[in-house]
Amino acid sequence: DAGVIQSPRHEVTEMGQEVTLRCKPISGHDYLFWYRQTMMRGLELLIYFNNNVPIDDSGMPEDRFSAKMPNASFSTLKIQPSEPRDSAVYFCASRWTGGAYEQYFGPGTRLTVT
Amino acid sequence: QKEVEQDPGPLSVPEGAIVSLNCTYSNSAFQYFMWYRQYSRKGPELLMYTYSSGNKEDGRFTAQVDKSSKYISLFIRDSQPSDSATYLCAMRETQGGSEKLVFGKGTKLTVNP
Repeated sequence: DAGVIQSPRHEVTEMGQEVTLRCKPISGHDYLFWYRQTMMRGLELLIYFNNNVPIDDSGMPEDRFSAKMPNASFSTLKIQPSEPRDSAVYFCASRWTGGAYEQYFGPGTRLTVT
Repeated sequence: QKEVEQDPGPLSVPEGAIVSLNCTYSNSAFQYFMWYRQYSRKGPELLMYTYSSGNKEDGRFTAQVDKSSKYISLFIRDSQPSDSATYLCAMRETQGGSEKLVFGKGTKLTVNP
């Protein structure tokens, strides 16, 4: 299995631009999670989906952030407009209900907003 | 008070040392306790988990949970340079409820050969 796949691995953009991060979960997994990691705040859950339906988006910082999961094999996290304080590493993780509770993380997308 | 507190270190030890990593938490509803290991520029990977109180051993690693004190620990025996990484504790409430994991900020460990 290829594991969780994220793209791009690195993104540098200017303030005000739209940023789209992509994730392909492990095949067969029915939960998908988006996290953000910074030195100041650590690893924070932004939103998670179950069977493509958003379950808890209480961690989404503000309306500039949105996430979608149009099918079981693809999810996006969009930031519009981006701001320098959005600079962080964004991780996607997935897990399978029948596999207890281990979440498998992707390699992350390192976002820099200048 | 943050839900989960973890000393960020950094922690530097010689090869072969016993390492102790710790977290404290405030939410008494947490039932599942995990340790993730994160190598530089990689995603976290699950190292160990425990349910409720008690100890769990896996090779050189031992996880302990003391719910009465709201305190969890990870011990690494005979530490190796390959153990150099950031270790994050994570916790969640009972199964069947929210899937949300709450993470500590992580402790950066360096094991020197």
